[in-house]
Amino acid sequence: EVQLVESGGGLVQPGGSLRLSCAASGFSFSNYWLVWVRQTPGEGLEWVATINQVGSEKYYMDSVKGRFTISRDNAENSLSLQMNSLRAEDTALYYCVRVGHFTADQWGQGTLVTVSS
Amino acid sequence: DIQMTQFPSTLSASVGDRVTITCRASQSVSSWLAWFQQKPGKAPKLLIYKASSLESGVPSRFSGSGSGTEFALTISSLQPDDIATYYCQQYNLNSPWTFGQGTKVEMK
Repeated sequence: EVQLVESGGGLVQPGGSLRLSCAASGFSFSNYWLVWVRQTPGEGLEWVATINQVGSEKYYMDSVKGRFTISRDNAENSLSLQMNSLRAEDTALYYCVRVGHFTADQWGQGTLVTVSS
Repeated sequence: DIQMTQFPSTLSASVGDRVTITCRASQSVSSWLAWFQQKPGKAPKLLIYKASSLESGVPSRFSGSGSGTEFALTISSLQPDDIATYYCQQYNLNSPWTFGQGTKVEMK
């Protein structure tokens, strides 16, 4: 059974940092592109970042470029999102997502990030 | 970015009804269109990919159609378990993924 389990969310002050992690199991991790997607009541579902199988290609939504860094460890079957200079508008539920059929075929349960003073 | 517009935003139907949700893209996405179901407190679940391909394990009462800029998700006979919010998503190559705003399906 495919499992994606996120962790690392929490309350952080504006300008602060947080590192999200995603532990994967039940599939050949190194064969798949991976994505972070976030969800808020106001903005809905938003793609945040993408990484290819070996970590050599990384893509980001415009509003997080230069602040967020996606990375992966294929030996540990883990995906990470380092988030710096956090803003109130980054408050969201962050999902770790596997790419299959070129889209989001498997999702984790999400981890909540709240940016507030 | 490609904008995705879904309608209606809310839909009320009875068990056994045929339900159709529409999604429109601001520019052609060919057939790079997926549909997701999300229940409260749960992550989205992939139902349909490439506009009309049924994901493994998804009931056959779900179907997708369309290409270019106009797409539809149809539930042939609404069941109580189908009460959820449904999202379309485009994944046109070389474009950032974007999602529709969602359609909430309620039981009448």
